[in-house]
Amino acid sequence: QKEVEQNSGPLSVPEGAIASLNCTYSDRGSQSFFWYRQYSGKSPELIMFIYSNGDKEDGRFTAQLNKASQYVSLLIRDSQPSDSATYLCAVNISTGRRALTFGSGTRLQVQP
Amino acid sequence: AAGVIQSPRHLIKEKRETATLKCYPISRHDTVYWYQQGPGQDPQFLISFYEKMQSDKGSIPDRFSAQQFSDYHSELNMSSLELGDSALYFCASSFHKADPSYNEQFFGPGTRLTVL
Repeated sequence: QKEVEQNSGPLSVPEGAIASLNCTYSDRGSQSFFWYRQYSGKSPELIMFIYSNGDKEDGRFTAQLNKASQYVSLLIRDSQPSDSATYLCAVNISTGRRALTFGSGTRLQVQP
Repeated sequence: AAGVIQSPRHLIKEKRETATLKCYPISRHDTVYWYQQGPGQDPQFLISFYEKMQSDKGSIPDRFSAQQFSDYHSELNMSSLELGDSALYFCASSFHKADPSYNEQFFGPGTRLTVL
């Protein structure tokens, strides 16, 4: 079992819909959680981070964290074709470590 | 503000050769991280530095070494290159905070290394 799990997709949604991306992690001591967007052949781009249980909103993006269930999700409202990319969930797995452990990513396709 | 700068952007080497990748962090960022991303894979943490000292070590082969300099830039030195070293190498930087949980890392554009 990977330490950070994501559904590889592709997740296909129509333009204007809400895209929901999910991530689970195995280390209950994990403290911080990040969502990166990566276009093919490009570098990961930080789009959201969340440290506390609950929701965090930034523009069209909402990150949700539930530490008891060990999952973190990313909602993208009003999805645009330009949102089509791979979304990587990253976690600080162990307390005190700063290195990120990534999931395998979910490929999102927004259909015009 | 300028982002993380990496050089070179592309590098082609023969097996058993050496390579040096460079990373210049975002202004005022004092911590750098190196990640390796193979084709179709997620980024894997290699090593990190804070204040010129190694702060964490991941799955970095013994053939690789890295260091951070007084201006906070970092270099990843790779020797005895193998075909399997072909990958994208990303550098990320962050501003060191006392609580390691608050650690937003920003990635550079990467160096694409091809070993023939």
